[in-house]
Amino acid sequence: EVQLEESGGGLIQPGGSLRLSCAASGFTVSSNYMSWVRQAPGKGLEWVSVIYSGGRTFYGDSVKGRFTISRDNFRNTLYLQMNNLRVEDTAVYYCVRSIVAAFYFDYWGQGTLVTVSS
Amino acid sequence: QSALTQPASVSGSPGQSITISCTGTSSDVGGYNYVSWYQQHPGKAPKLLIYDVSKRPSGVSTRFSGSKSGNTASLTISGLQADDEADYYCSSHTSSGTLDVFGTGTKVTVL
Repeated sequence: EVQLEESGGGLIQPGGSLRLSCAASGFTVSSNYMSWVRQAPGKGLEWVSVIYSGGRTFYGDSVKGRFTISRDNFRNTLYLQMNNLRVEDTAVYYCVRSIVAAFYFDYWGQGTLVTVSS
Repeated sequence: QSALTQPASVSGSPGQSITISCTGTSSDVGGYNYVSWYQQHPGKAPKLLIYDVSKRPSGVSTRFSGSKSGNTASLTISGLQADDEADYYCSSHTSSGTLDVFGTGTKVTVL
């Protein structure tokens, strides 16, 4: 059974850093496309970043240069390093899987809340 | 990259059919057959309903169907049920740097 479990969210001041983790089970992270999608309180979904099976990474314009997506193949875990956080980064962050060469998200974690506030 | 445009809300009575539109451009919806739809109940993670415009994952009810014409994709829910009351989002691959773009979301109310 495919499962994704995010952790690492919390309250952080503007300008701070946070690292989110997503532990995967039931499949191999490095053999799939893995993304982060976020949802601000009461708002819609926003795609944040993806890491392809081959290792290429892409980012949304709003996080480019501040966020870094990575994975640990041994731990079968996905990460999102978030630096220079802004109030507008406040959101639930979902870890999401796509199969290779697919442009849809077939499995979602339950999300972890990141609150950026002074 | 702007979000795809969806109506803010759509409503219908039990048993009726409703259609949610998702309008983009030739750089996303119109340019690729990579439109997907997601259902999100309050406090829950989104769930995949439709992918590649009209394909249903295993386990998704046949009451959900998708289509596309030009730059607009559509999700139709037939035989509306109380549990269909949720938020619905479309998504499309895009040629812009963001790679994927979501719709603005539609709240479905079952009257």
